[in-house]
Amino acid sequence: AQSVSQHNHHVILSEAASLELGCNYSYGGTVNLFWYVQYPGQHLQLLLKYFSGDPLVKGIKGFEAEFIKSKFSFNLRKPSVQWSDTAEYFCAVILYNNNDMRFGAGTRLTVKP
Amino acid sequence: DAGVIQSPRHEVTEMGQEVTLRCKPISGHNSLFWYRQTMMRGLELLIYFNNNVPIDDSGMPEDRFSAKMPNASFSTLKIQPSEPRDSAVYFCASSYESRRRYFGPGTRLTVT
Repeated sequence: AQSVSQHNHHVILSEAASLELGCNYSYGGTVNLFWYVQYPGQHLQLLLKYFSGDPLVKGIKGFEAEFIKSKFSFNLRKPSVQWSDTAEYFCAVILYNNNDMRFGAGTRLTVKP
Repeated sequence: DAGVIQSPRHEVTEMGQEVTLRCKPISGHNSLFWYRQTMMRGLELLIYFNNNVPIDDSGMPEDRFSAKMPNASFSTLKIQPSEPRDSAVYFCASSYESRRRYFGPGTRLTVT
């Protein structure tokens, strides 16, 4: 079945540690890829997106993600996390020319001060 | 721009009661989406409308759930009768001719 997988349910890091959150999808066609963040008590916000071009995408707040087509992956990275990055992170995929967006189950990130 | 508006923000109800969630999309947007977020399943698309017409309701869990969009500026998601397993955060999102969806703040539903 077509799906979006986020392998880590909960990640706990200390400040200044490096972050990588995994996202894999199983769609075979051309896709558009997104990472959203939901801070405690707030609604979803777009971190970054990939439609085409450079597979290394820079987003807000120092986040970046790399699209590796051969691995069907779009992992989110940040070199040095801050306490304020504590939130839930969702990976999402849209099939090209399809209006249906599918989300992963989310990864909860806790950054210890 | 006020963004996507959802009401109520929190709803606590007893099992068997009818629950109605409301959404006002961003003015000018022509697509509206209802999502449900739970710890077990993450974020699930329930139904979406395009130009007020339901396009895909395959994500609606069962007949107890129904959604309407009587005009371009208003949509409801109704659960009747509600059950404890319906407890979740329900998000509404809207978009216009693009793939970026603007999410509302969500309605946290608790069914006891």
